[in-house]
Amino acid sequence: DQQVKQNSPSLSVQEGRISILNCDYTNSMFDYFLWYKKYPAEGPTFLISISSIKDKNEDGRFTVFLNKSAKHLSLHIVPSQPGDSAVYFCAASDPGNTPLVFGKGTRLSVIA
Amino acid sequence: SQTIHQWPATLVQPVGSPLSLECTVEGTSNPNLYWYRQAAGRGLQLLFYSVGIGQISSEVPQNLSASRPQDRQFILSSKKLLLSDSGFYLCAWSRGGTNTGELFFGEGSRLTVL
Repeated sequence: DQQVKQNSPSLSVQEGRISILNCDYTNSMFDYFLWYKKYPAEGPTFLISISSIKDKNEDGRFTVFLNKSAKHLSLHIVPSQPGDSAVYFCAASDPGNTPLVFGKGTRLSVIA
Repeated sequence: SQTIHQWPATLVQPVGSPLSLECTVEGTSNPNLYWYRQAAGRGLQLLFYSVGIGQISSEVPQNLSASRPQDRQFILSSKKLLLSDSGFYLCAWSRGGTNTGELFFGEGSRLTVL
């Protein structure tokens, strides 16, 4: 049973436009959400996070939105750059000291 | 600052041979440690995690095992590799006793079983 779902395996966006990556979750106990970025043959790196007490967190070109009632979060990248091309993983955690639960990832391709 | 290293970076092994992947963390104490595998179409699959020396939790039944002989050392092993064990293995750590959840990943180890 997938608790964190990224239903789009891939996304192509033109350079300069907005990229929107979506993530849905089923476990209502999740209270902290993270996005990771992964290049081929490298480990994922942390990108941005949001606590369930917020509905938006912004860091430069990256903004994460959280809709708790819909159990949905999204990552917005504006403007998109070719260097943003990577696999993006959504992850969630609950208040216990349990491992993060990851989605299957979305491969973003930013076309110049 | 904290660092995490895992090795070897690439490994080609025949079916039935043993496996040992090592991971060490520096600059922190009592971290939570994790082994993930990234396989095509399956995202990041948690294999094992450890909250302390000798404490290992297994998430997926398989022919792999993990050990934590020291506070900042995590080892992934197999006695006999299967073709299905091929993949990209990632070690990670997080601050122990917290629920912020942020993981810090190693560089990864590409295993090919022939």
